[in-house]
This record gives sequence, C-alpha cells and structure tokens, in this order.
Amino acid sequence: DAGVIQSPRHEVTEMGQEVTLRCKPISGHDYLFWYRQTMMRGLELLIYFNNNVPIDDSGMPEDRFSAKMPNASFSTLKIQPSEPRDSAVYFCASSSQGALSYNEQFFGPGTRLTVL
Amino acid sequence: QKEVEQNSGPLSVPEGAIASLNCTYSDRGSQSFFWYRQYSGKSPELIMSIYSNGDKEDGRFTAQLNKASQYVSLLIRDSQPSDSATYLCDITGNQFYFGTGTSLTVIP
Repeated sequence: DAGVIQSPRHEVTEMGQEVTLRCKPISGHDYLFWYRQTMMRGLELLIYFNNNVPIDDSGMPEDRFSAKMPNASFSTLKIQPSEPRDSAVYFCASSSQGALSYNEQFFGPGTRLTVL
Repeated sequence: QKEVEQNSGPLSVPEGAIASLNCTYSDRGSQSFFWYRQYSGKSPELIMSIYSNGDKEDGRFTAQLNKASQYVSLLIRDSQPSDSATYLCDITGNQFYFGTGTSLTVIP
C-alpha cells in the first residue's frame, strides 16, 4: 500500500484566498483524521471521520474551516478565506478499529501551508 | 486540566544513556496507548503501542502503562544520536488525545 497520500505538499497563498487540502487514506481504514501542527500549539486534532461520517469537529477553529469525506478514499479540508494565522503543517491520518481497541494512526507526509 | 500532560522537555541525554519520557492522562475510558516519533520536518511515525497494564519491550524501547495511576511512559535504552526527535504520546478511547511532545536530543 502507498500509505496515506496528501496533496499538495506545499501551498503558498495570499490572505483571503481559498485553500483546499486533499487526502487519500489507506485502503480499508475506516477512520480519517485531520490535524494541524504549529510550534506554538503542537499537534491539534481538527476533525475526524468514521466510515465517511464526521464524528467530532470540535477542533475546527472557526467557520472558515470545513472538511468533507465524500467516499472512503478521499477527503478534503478547505479554508475560506485563508488568513496568515492559518499557516501551519496540516496532516491527514487514517486508522482502523480492532476488535477490542483502536489501532495506531498512519500519517501522511503533510501539507505545509503558508498564507501571506 | 489538559486531557494529556506530557513532560515538555527539551530532554538531553548522553549517547548510551536511558531516556525516559512520560505522559499522564485524565480519561479513564482510554483503551489504547501509542508512542510516536517525529523527526524535524517529517510526519509522526508509530514506535510503540500498549493496551494493558505492565511493560512492553521492543528492542531498545520499553513502554510502561499504569491505568490506575493514569500514566504511560517510554524508556529508550542505549540512546543513539538517531533517536534525537520529538516523541508524542497518543491516548485513545472515548476520544483521541495527543500530547504536546517531548523533544529529545542524544549527545554523542
């Protein structure tokens, strides 16, 4: 398996523009997570899906952020309009649930977003 | 109180020494416990998982879990410069919690 795939790897945009980040989870995984990582705040969980359904979006910072998972092999995180404080590395991760417990998360390479 | 408290470091140890990393958590419903290593500019990668009380050893790494005291730790024996990275604990159960990470530097 190719692992979790994210695109683009780097994104530089200007304030006010729309940004769309993409993720393809590992085949067969039923959980998908979006994280944001900065030096100041560390790794923050933004939202996660189970079987394509959003379960917890309490980490989404504000209405400018939205995420979708139209099918088991694709998810997007959209920021509209973008602001300089959104600059961070955004990770997508996928996982599966075992019989009695949760399994580990596999992370994609991340998207480094810079908003000027 | 944060859901997961991790000793923030930074932690420096000489090569060959034992590095000790710790996390405490508040959710007693937590079932799965993971340690990830993250090199600078890279994504987190799993190094250890533990699900029941006690110790679990894998090579130079030992994970320790005490559910009664609500802590999980990671010991790295015979530390190597290649172990220099940030280590994140992940506590999973009713919700998913990551610690803030501990930066480890192994000095040759």
